[in-house]
Amino acid sequence: SYELIQPPSVSVSPGQTASITCSGHNLGQKYACWYQQKPGQSPILVISQDSKRPSGIPERFSGSNSENTATLTISGTQAMDEADYYCQAWDRNSFVVFGGGTKLTVL
Amino acid sequence: VLLQESGPGLVKPSETLSLSCSVSGYSITTYYWSWIRQSPGKGLEWIGYIYYSRTTDLNPSLKSRVTMSADTSRNQVSLTLTSVTTADTAVYYCARAPIYYCAGDCPNWYIDVWGRGTLVTVSS
Repeated sequence: SYELIQPPSVSVSPGQTASITCSGHNLGQKYACWYQQKPGQSPILVISQDSKRPSGIPERFSGSNSENTATLTISGTQAMDEADYYCQAWDRNSFVVFGGGTKLTVL
Repeated sequence: VLLQESGPGLVKPSETLSLSCSVSGYSITTYYWSWIRQSPGKGLEWIGYIYYSRTTDLNPSLKSRVTMSADTSRNQVSLTLTSVTTADTAVYYCARAPIYYCAGDCPNWYIDVWGRGTLVTVSS
């Protein structure tokens, strides 16, 4: 089965850039998307199709995907960005696959 | 588009869990409709999706216990999970993937709308 691996946690200082990675075999040949989930809330889509930002998502959120790693980048991180982030891809055999999630702490 | 999950909050081990998702603001005859769950303190786990009248694909690890269906008269999608154990305790989310039928090749699949989720506890 296809797997996506994320670091359990990432820390960043306010105003700095946070990078959250998502690794999978030949992930760059698939599309990756990213969801943000705050405590007690449903996830929301922040990046689709590697780098597309849905309406209403701040420009500080961006995404990239190459070779075996997709990356969610948050520029000028704010306290409100503290949340869990999940990557997701689609695989022909496993269908919808989520990464294990990364807890972003804004110190 | 609003998605509202409903069902019993408590199910006994070995019994069957049944949930419904009422969709308002959009017809379930278009796009993929999915169930995802999240065990307490854990990550997201995809259960399956349905594309009305075309296909249902399920998580291989749950496939033997899961059934999904769609009722266009009520604009609802449903989930049934049999032989539940405490490991099935989770918040169950209904969600929409704005993807037209992709015939088993859906590389750009993603979710744009989530329900609020419903907590199901499996306990005797």
